[in-house]
Amino acid sequence: GEDVEQSLFLSVREGDSSVINCTYTDSSSTYLYWYKQEPGAGLQLLTYIFSNMDMKQDQRLTVLLNKKDKHLSLRIADTQTGDSAIYFCAENPDSNYQLIWGAGTKLIIKP
Amino acid sequence: DVKVTQSSRYLVKRTGEKVFLECVQDMDHENMFWYRQDPGLGLRLIYFSYDVKMKEKGDIPEGYSVSREKKERFSLILESASTNQTSMYLCASSFNLQGARGINTEAFFGQGTRLTVV
Repeated sequence: GEDVEQSLFLSVREGDSSVINCTYTDSSSTYLYWYKQEPGAGLQLLTYIFSNMDMKQDQRLTVLLNKKDKHLSLRIADTQTGDSAIYFCAENPDSNYQLIWGAGTKLIIKP
Repeated sequence: DVKVTQSSRYLVKRTGEKVFLECVQDMDHENMFWYRQDPGLGLRLIYFSYDVKMKEKGDIPEGYSVSREKKERFSLILESASTNQTSMYLCASSFNLQGARGINTEAFFGQGTRLTVV
C-alpha cells in the first residue's frame, strides 16, 4: 500500500542548516509536498516539487528529490527560531486526488 | 485570503455525548476533508467529501459520521464520544480537479479543534 515515512524529531542549532527527510512508496506520485504546521495552527503548504525535477530552490528552502530511491528532502538554510514547527511530507498518487501524509517531523531549534 | 474556519478551538465533552465539529470554507472548493492528528501518527483521514451530499470513508471512519448539506460546510459527528477520540481534529478543503496535480490540489487547513473526551 501507499506509505510515507519520516523521522519524528530533528534538533538543530540556530543558524545551522536543517535537513528533513522523507521516503515514499508510490512511484506514480506526480507531485510531492512539504507542509508546515506552526504551534497551535493548521497546516500550510510550504513548497512542492514535480516528479520530473531533481531539485527546487525557494529562498532558504531547497527540495531534493531522488525518484529512483523514492526519497525526498527539505533543507532549510540558516535555521531560525521561527522555523520551529512540524513538517509534513505528502505525496499525491496518480490514482486519486487525496494526499498521503507522513507522520510529521518536529523541528526543534537550539539557541 | 482562503479561509477554512472550524467552529471551536477547544472542546471538552463527556463520554457518550453526541459531538458536532463544524467546518466552513469560503473558496467554493468541491473537496472537504476531516483528519485527526495524534502524536507520532501524523494525519489520518476520517472522511472526505467531493461534492454536496457525497461522502467517502477515509482510513479511520469507525465511530464517526459526516454531513455535507451545503458546499461550504462539512460537519464531523461523533455519535457517542469515547475517550479514545480525544485528539486534534483538522478540517481541510481543496479544488476538485481530478487529473490535475500540484498547486491545483493544495489543501487549505483550518486551525484545528482540540477535543478532549472525559
